Amino acid sequence: GAGVSQSPRYKVAKRGQDVALRCDPISGHVSLFWYQQALGQGPEFLTYFQNEAQLDKSGLPSDRFFAERPEGSVSTLKIQRTQQEDSAVYLCASSLGLAGLGEQFFGPGTRLTVL
Amino acid sequence: AQSVTQLDSHVSVSEGTPVLLRCNYSSSYSPSLFWYVQHPNKGLQLLLKYTSAATLVKGINGFEAEFKKSETSFHLTKPSAHMSDAAEYFCVVSEGGSTLGRLYFGRGTQLTVWP
Repeated sequence: GAGVSQSPRYKVAKRGQDVALRCDPISGHVSLFWYQQALGQGPEFLTYFQNEAQLDKSGLPSDRFFAERPEGSVSTLKIQRTQQEDSAVYLCASSLGLAGLGEQFFGPGTRLTVL
Repeated sequence: AQSVTQLDSHVSVSEGTPVLLRCNYSSSYSPSLFWYVQHPNKGLQLLLKYTSAATLVKGINGFEAEFKKSETSFHLTKPSAHMSDAAEYFCVVSEGGSTLGRLYFGRGTQLTVWP
């Protein structure tokens, strides 16, 4: 089927606004990951879901970041009271099996710019 | 602790000449190692992966990498560069334990191919 899709592709927010970023994984994929890629850097892990369970959120940079995957499919990454340092590309990846088993397939990312 | 060091932020080659992108890693466990490629406005794509089988790994588009445990290196090579190889390349490590499934990315190497 189709690959991982993310929306919106670009988001501009004023500092202090809340944003929600959506990820549609490949159908049937059990594992879902969020990564943050700052300009000129490699992606950094944020959080991991196995179906609807968030098993690892240790990479979330602050309590302003929240992720959910309520039905084990689509996931949303929410950032409250955005700050300039939140400007980055947010990448979503999914894999068929449990974490560590199988290739992670990446979406095109959402580029967030906080003014 | 795991980390990845890509030794060159930019590499420029002429079309038809060999490509060498260098990567060193550190890991507390027996790691899995990957190379991903990122073309502009496209998602990260897996080029190849090492998971403790053969130390010389062949990937897509003529790329290969050799795992050298004694040197903690996983350099990416291609005998003859093509214009379409121009992109950002990321060396990635993943390991077991509490971080199972998490990918740790290097900072990336931008490959430019001159005609």
